Amino acid sequence: EDQVTQSPEALRLQEGESSSLNCSYTVSGLRGLFWYRQDPGKGPEFLFTLYSAGEEKEKERLKATLTKKESFLHITAPKPEDSATYLCAVALGGATNKLIFGTGTLLAVQP
Amino acid sequence: DAGITQSPRHKVTETGTPVTLRCHQTENHRYMYWYRQDPGHGLRLIHYSYGVKDTDKGEVSDGYSVSRSKTEDFLLTLESATSSQTSVYFCAISAQDYGYTFGSGTRLTVV
Repeated sequence: EDQVTQSPEALRLQEGESSSLNCSYTVSGLRGLFWYRQDPGKGPEFLFTLYSAGEEKEKERLKATLTKKESFLHITAPKPEDSATYLCAVALGGATNKLIFGTGTLLAVQP
Repeated sequence: DAGITQSPRHKVTETGTPVTLRCHQTENHRYMYWYRQDPGHGLRLIHYSYGVKDTDKGEVSDGYSVSRSKTEDFLLTLESATSSQTSVYFCAISAQDYGYTFGSGTRLTVV
């Protein structure tokens, strides 16, 4: 069964305290892995797409990496405005372009 | 913004009544999706569409139907609302092999 698991469920950091979020997956035929950020009361906002093991993408204080079994979202020197829920999703093979989502990591960055 | 709007943003309805949620896009994307988001379950796919009049079921489709008579509109109907359908509903659009762009969501409460 195709599955996406994110850990931890919640993470509390002090401003400037770097950490990583994990997304592990078991799917048949990965076409891509996506990271989204979701603020309360809003829809998820696209951050990154990774397509192959070894690939890395960066945006400001965020860096996403991909292996054959998992992806990490590294947050370097976070600020309070980085507080949000971070969602991971994998795209399956086939023509439907469907995504399977993990349940997310709720990140709180305290000043 | 990405050119996807959902309506209404909030709705309270009574058990047993029909409810229709609307998703409208201006991007001319082929794929459209309806998800529901619940605590502890993340985003779960209800139905999706890969073209006008071409739709298929997702993992939680019971009690829901959809229609897509035009490229830009994707309607989600709850035939007879139940309390278990209280949720936040998100519409998403995508082009082939790209990640999703989400709407702002509809918060539905069934009383």
